[in-house]
Amino acid sequence: EPEVTQTPSHQVTQMGQEVILRCVPISNHLYFYWYRQILGQKVEFLVSFYNNEISEKSEIFDDQFSVERPDGSNFTLKIRSTKLEDSAMYFCASSEEGGYTDTQYFGPGTRLTVL
Amino acid sequence: AQKITQTQPGMFVQEKEAVTLDCTYDTSDPSYGLFWYKQPSSGEMIFLIYQGSYDQQNATEGRYSLNFQKARKSANLVISASQLGDSALYFCAMREGGTSYGKLTFGQGTILTVHP
Repeated sequence: EPEVTQTPSHQVTQMGQEVILRCVPISNHLYFYWYRQILGQKVEFLVSFYNNEISEKSEIFDDQFSVERPDGSNFTLKIRSTKLEDSAMYFCASSEEGGYTDTQYFGPGTRLTVL
Repeated sequence: AQKITQTQPGMFVQEKEAVTLDCTYDTSDPSYGLFWYKQPSSGEMIFLIYQGSYDQQNATEGRYSLNFQKARKSANLVISASQLGDSALYFCAMREGGTSYGKLTFGQGTILTVHP
């Protein structure tokens, strides 16, 4: 069964460093998403991406964040200068369509720890 | 205002019994989808079941069913014949049909513990 994959599973970085989190969505899916979950809290939407551009972003997704689909299969989230409060689990998700009836399938997550 | 409310921080159930996890939602959009996800201790998010706002029947997927009461704006997950492997964090989520490009809005989650 096709699945979303994410690498790395765990990333430890120093405050102020840049990190890139990688995702490979399900191959026939057209809509891509990033969410984050701070430990013990609910899952929060960061950004949606379709047709090589951002469709929607939350207030969390400020200028320190960027997304890219560099090669037609990978989907990346870059944090330019990490802060302590960026420590969280980051989930990539994808769906065939962007409509409200379509299921989003999540990757296993990348746990980001900022020291 | 919270769009998705899960009022039960934790629930306990005996193995083989049924359990209901509550979810209420708030939207003015007539078109929306409601989803339940399971997050085991390993951390991944597993899709369980979906209910559309125009669906006449309650959704079912194996041991999971969704008790959809549109007028009350509730979408409770029912797990029948609980198993030890059902112990996890469960999230209710909603996608609205407007111009939100399909983002999911999650509730706070309910931790389910299944006792042998």
